[in-house]
Amino acid sequence: GQSLEQPSEVTAVEGAIVQINCTYQTSGFYGLSWYQQHDGGAPTFLSYNGLDGLEETGRFSSFLSRSDSYGYLLLQELQMKDSASYFCAVNTDSGYALNFGKGTSLLVTP
Amino acid sequence: DSGVTQTPKHLITATGQRVTLRCSPRSGDLSVYWYQQSLDQGLQFLIQYYNGEERAKGNILERFSAQQFPDLHSELNLSSLELGDSALYFCASSVSWELPYNEQFFGPGTRLTVL
Repeated sequence: GQSLEQPSEVTAVEGAIVQINCTYQTSGFYGLSWYQQHDGGAPTFLSYNGLDGLEETGRFSSFLSRSDSYGYLLLQELQMKDSASYFCAVNTDSGYALNFGKGTSLLVTP
Repeated sequence: DSGVTQTPKHLITATGQRVTLRCSPRSGDLSVYWYQQSLDQGLQFLIQYYNGEERAKGNILERFSAQQFPDLHSELNLSSLELGDSALYFCASSVSWELPYNEQFFGPGTRLTVL
């Protein structure tokens, strides 16, 4: 089967840096995606890692280690608007849909 | 705005009833995915269509079915509804289904409440 583990909640201060970890177990792993979802809203794509290493997109970076079945999302210079849920999701080589983790609720405080 | 539209936004119905949720993908996207989001289960993949054909099935109940029409819009049919079916149902679309990665664009969702 497949499983993804990520912390359920994280709290950080505005302006700080926060890292959200994701570990996965899956067959046919192809890549790891990250999505952001504000309360009740549509998930929106943040980042994708198909290869080991770091991908940077503005204040957000994502990292993947295939050998460790591990990835993380790094959010820098946190802003209040970053308070949201963050989901890691696995693409498998079947090429189809995303298998999401249960999400990490990030609360950014003043 | 992702360009994916879903109707209705809210739906309240009773147990045992049947409902249909509708999704229009972004212009040019051929692949449509349905997801269910409930409080205790997170985002669960239900089913995917590509250019009118079913491509993959996830944790979709037998009481649920879907189709994608020639104009590429998709409908998710939920029947014999139970209280536990209350959830937010998302539709997403992407250009294709093939790898390398295709970003999925999510619609605003339909919130279903079964009383």
